[in-house]
Amino acid sequence: GAVVSQHPSWVICKSGTSVKIECRSLDFQATTMFWYRQFPKQSLMLMATSNEGSKATYEQGVEKDKFLINHASLTLSTLTVTSAHPEDSSFYICSATGLRNYGYTFGSGTRLTVV
Amino acid sequence: DAKTTQPNSMESNEEEPVHLPCNHSTISGTDYIHWYRQLPSQGPEYVIHGLTSNVNNRMASLAIAEDRKSSTLILHRATLRDAAVYYCTQEGGYNKLIFGAGTRLAVHP
Repeated sequence: GAVVSQHPSWVICKSGTSVKIECRSLDFQATTMFWYRQFPKQSLMLMATSNEGSKATYEQGVEKDKFLINHASLTLSTLTVTSAHPEDSSFYICSATGLRNYGYTFGSGTRLTVV
Repeated sequence: DAKTTQPNSMESNEEEPVHLPCNHSTISGTDYIHWYRQLPSQGPEYVIHGLTSNVNNRMASLAIAEDRKSSTLILHRATLRDAAVYYCTQEGGYNKLIFGAGTRLAVHP
């Protein structure tokens, strides 16, 4: 089946620094990737949608200059949290879809803690 | 935006069937209904998806109402490993999946 690898699984960073999270589709070409954020005991909130080779489309209320998304190849998308602050601490999850019959495959998530 | 509604929580006993309902009254005619489940600190795991007809796979069955405004995920024999948060999702345009609040399923031995 389709597999999406997300790395790192957890990261702790200092306030004001930037953190990059990678999302790779291992056995299929991901034409579209999605980034979600999940706070404790809450549901997944979609942050942005990215199509390979195009600029990401951000959901309302998500700062595009703070959450930089790159989807330069059909197997890799990255999310960079710039100038991270403690309120950015959350569980970040990526998802990828290729041809319609692949459905949506999710990564295992990245726990970001900003101290 | 696409929105689904589910009960906050449900309970079941081991080896009994579980019916998890979902309302998706804003769904359009070509949008699939997807179900995922999530364990703590893990990404969502695919369970099943469908469009109009009832669907079966090794994990579960999906019963879709004729008007497509609701669906029910059926776990035929719940196990302790089925305890999770179950999300009913619908496509919200541009193929993006919008998650509702989910149902926390507890399974008792």
